[in-house]
Order: sequence, then C-alpha cells, then structure tokens
Amino acid sequence: KNEVEQSPQNLTAQEGEFITINCSYSVGISALHWLQQHPGGGIVSLFMLSSGKKKHGRLIATINIQEKHSSLHITASHPRDSAVYICAGLNYGGSQGNLIFGKGTKLSVKP
Amino acid sequence: EPEVTQTPSHQVTQMGQEVILRCVPISNHLYFYWYRQILGQKVEFLVSFYNNEISEKSEIFDDQFSVERPDGSNFTLKIRSTKLEDSAMYFCASSEFVVGLFFGSGTQLSVL
Repeated sequence: KNEVEQSPQNLTAQEGEFITINCSYSVGISALHWLQQHPGGGIVSLFMLSSGKKKHGRLIATINIQEKHSSLHITASHPRDSAVYICAGLNYGGSQGNLIFGKGTKLSVKP
Repeated sequence: EPEVTQTPSHQVTQMGQEVILRCVPISNHLYFYWYRQILGQKVEFLVSFYNNEISEKSEIFDDQFSVERPDGSNFTLKIRSTKLEDSAMYFCASSEFVVGLFFGSGTQLSVL
C-alpha cells in the first residue's frame, strides 16, 4: 500500500526563521504535491514535483527520487505562513488526482 | 483569477437523507476530482472524472456515492442515504491536464 509520511506533525517558529518540513514516500509514488490548508479549511496547491527543485517566492520544494524524500522550505517565515502543510503523493499509473495524502504539518509562526 | 467554487459551504442533513454537493470547476479544465477529510484525519481521494465518466475511484466511493456533470459547468457529488460517518469536509478539485490542481474551499457536511 502506498504511503506518505510527514514530519514534524507540529512546528512552532519565530517570525523570520527558516523552516523545513519533511516528507517520505513509498515505492509507487510518481510525483509529489505540496499543499497548504488554511485555518478555514481551504486547500491551495503550492508545488508539484517529480524531480529536482522548485521555487516560488519564499517557498522552495525539493525532491530526492532515490531516497524517496521531499522537503518544503520556507525562508524568512511570517505569521501569515501559519497553516497546515500537506504532502500528497501521486499514485504511479493512477489518474492525476489520485493522491495519497500525508497527515499534514501544522505550522505556527509567532511574531 | 479563476477558481473552483463549491456550494453550499455548510450542509446539515439527517441520517438517511440524500445530499448533493455542488462544484463549479475552472471553465477550461477537463479533469475533476472529489476528496473528503473527516475531522482530524487525512484528506482522502474519492473519485476522478474525465470525459463524462469516472476514470478512477477509491474504496471509499461505494454504491452510496455518485458523481455527475449535469451540464457544461457543474460537477456534483451525490450521497444517496447519508450515514453519520459521512460527516466530513468534501473538496472538489479540477485540473486542465497533468499539472495545476485547483481545489475548491470545501463543503462541510454534518449528518445528524
């Protein structure tokens, strides 16, 4: 059974700190999404990665296919970054939206 | 900016009743999905839909569930006879092709 594991479950940081959230996945996952879930529940897709690294503003996502590991980094964190960050793996051979979701990492950035 | 719209934002229903959750995907998108998130748990994939038919479904998506694209814009999830355990946040999403997954803001379903 394909699985996605995230760590840590909860993360508290001070404004300005560099943040890393980790995701490990099993064989059978062909790509990874990083998602942001707002306190109200809405979900926003941040990145989809199948190799290498992507950057958008203060967010950086990397993936190591050999090690089956991905990281999401936030530079110069800000209280508005407070949210749940979810790693979701795309099932190999499945439809585009057939995702296996991690439990999420709840990030709280204090001013 | 285009967005996926879900209605209603909250739905309360009695056990055994039928509910229809509605979604308006982004207009040029071809692939549509439903997910659910039970309170405190992971998001779970329910179904994907393409070219007017289900392309994939999970074990959760049993005979109680159905999806439909009744016209050119709406995408609906129907639960025929709701159970207490169907209480969850239901998310619709759409994509144009293999990248760019866009989620709606969700419908919170409460079954009493």
